Amino acid sequence: EDKVVQSPLSLVVHEGDTVTLNCSYEVTNFRSLLWYKQEKKAPTFLFMLTSSGIEKKSGRLSSILDKKELFSILNITATQTGDSAIYLCAAVYGGATNKLIFGTGTLLAVQP
Amino acid sequence: DSGVTQTPKHLITATGQRVTLRCSPRSGDLSVYWYQQSLDQGLQFLIQYYNGEERAKGNILERFSAQQFPDLHSELNLSSLELGDSALYFCASSPRDRNTEAFFGQGTRLTVV
Repeated sequence: EDKVVQSPLSLVVHEGDTVTLNCSYEVTNFRSLLWYKQEKKAPTFLFMLTSSGIEKKSGRLSSILDKKELFSILNITATQTGDSAIYLCAAVYGGATNKLIFGTGTLLAVQP
Repeated sequence: DSGVTQTPKHLITATGQRVTLRCSPRSGDLSVYWYQQSLDQGLQFLIQYYNGEERAKGNILERFSAQQFPDLHSELNLSSLELGDSALYFCASSPRDRNTEAFFGQGTRLTVV
């Protein structure tokens, strides 16, 4: 059965801390992995990772994919209260489609 | 703002009724997706359309149906509603039909009473 598992389920940190969020996957015909940030409603796109070992970076956020070990990590450095959200990872799978299978998310709370 | 527009924002309806959710994709995007998010299930893929044609189906109930119109907007029809259908329904769009990021709308919160 295709699945995406995220860990931890939730974490609480103080502003300035660095956090690492994990995402492991087992999906048929894996194509790529996406990270989203969900605050109040709509998931907001962060990264799309297709190739193994190539880090993608956007400000204080970075992510990397390991296709051999079937996982990805999302790093957030110097966290701010505005980083508080649910972080979702999703695997793109299937043939001529763009189906996303989502993990249940990691709830990050950043305290001042 | 992702550029994906969903209406209505909130919907409250009684069991047994039928509702229609509407989605306008980002300008230029040909692919539209519907997802259901409930507290216990997370985000679940329902269905994908590409340029008016159904491309992929996920965990979509037979009571639910969708279509994508020539102007590329999409509608999700939910009928014979049950309490368990209460959820946040997201529409997303992407420029291509495969291996691409999807951009989500703000969602429609459906409450069935």
